[in-house]
Amino acid sequence: ETGVTQSPTHLIKTRGQQVTLRCSSQSGHNTVSWYQQALGQGPQFIFQYYREEENGRGNFPPRFSGLQFPNYSSELNVNALELDDSALYLCAFSSGGGNQPQHFGDGTRLSIL
Amino acid sequence: EDQVTQSPEALRLQEGESSSLNCSYTVSGLRGLFWYRQDPGKGPEFLFTLYSAGEEKEKERLKATLTKKESFLHITAPKPEDSATYLCAVNSGGSNYKLTFGKGTLLTVNP
Repeated sequence: ETGVTQSPTHLIKTRGQQVTLRCSSQSGHNTVSWYQQALGQGPQFIFQYYREEENGRGNFPPRFSGLQFPNYSSELNVNALELDDSALYLCAFSSGGGNQPQHFGDGTRLSIL
Repeated sequence: EDQVTQSPEALRLQEGESSSLNCSYTVSGLRGLFWYRQDPGKGPEFLFTLYSAGEEKEKERLKATLTKKESFLHITAPKPEDSATYLCAVNSGGSNYKLTFGKGTLLTVNP
């Protein structure tokens, strides 16, 4: 058990809608990263938050946005959903530093109809 | 841009048949190479971190090694419960600590 909790576990939306995914950790780690994993692919980096500030972003459009709260929990928001947004969304916590492992939750499975 | 290539894409073994998974990487400056195990419907589970060429880590039937261009995950006498997708990822520095993942190797161990 990593102590990372993601909610909801599954979600079905239609094109054009908006969605909010949530992530929290019991570890006290202050850095949270979000990844998108399409079927049969490795996770792709969306963005990272450290002390409530965005600390790097991958090749995702601005309709993907996030927040980190003072207790280090985090939200991923996606606006104007597209069919290609269907994927497993993973969050991961770490203590910071590129040599520290990131510990993942079990993800939110998002399906767009 | 960092690149990670894993091979083979899929591997089927008989119980007790040892083998190795490969992870080739291209980075500007390696901070860490990470191995994860992912079961269906679950998030990646951390296995090992390797930092420099020549380093080795072991855990039960798994042993990870690192060179300047690739890493191997050796599986000795695997059991059916070792069946999973094994993911390799690198962090190469910069101001954030993103992981760049390969596509993974799907390992199936038959009894």
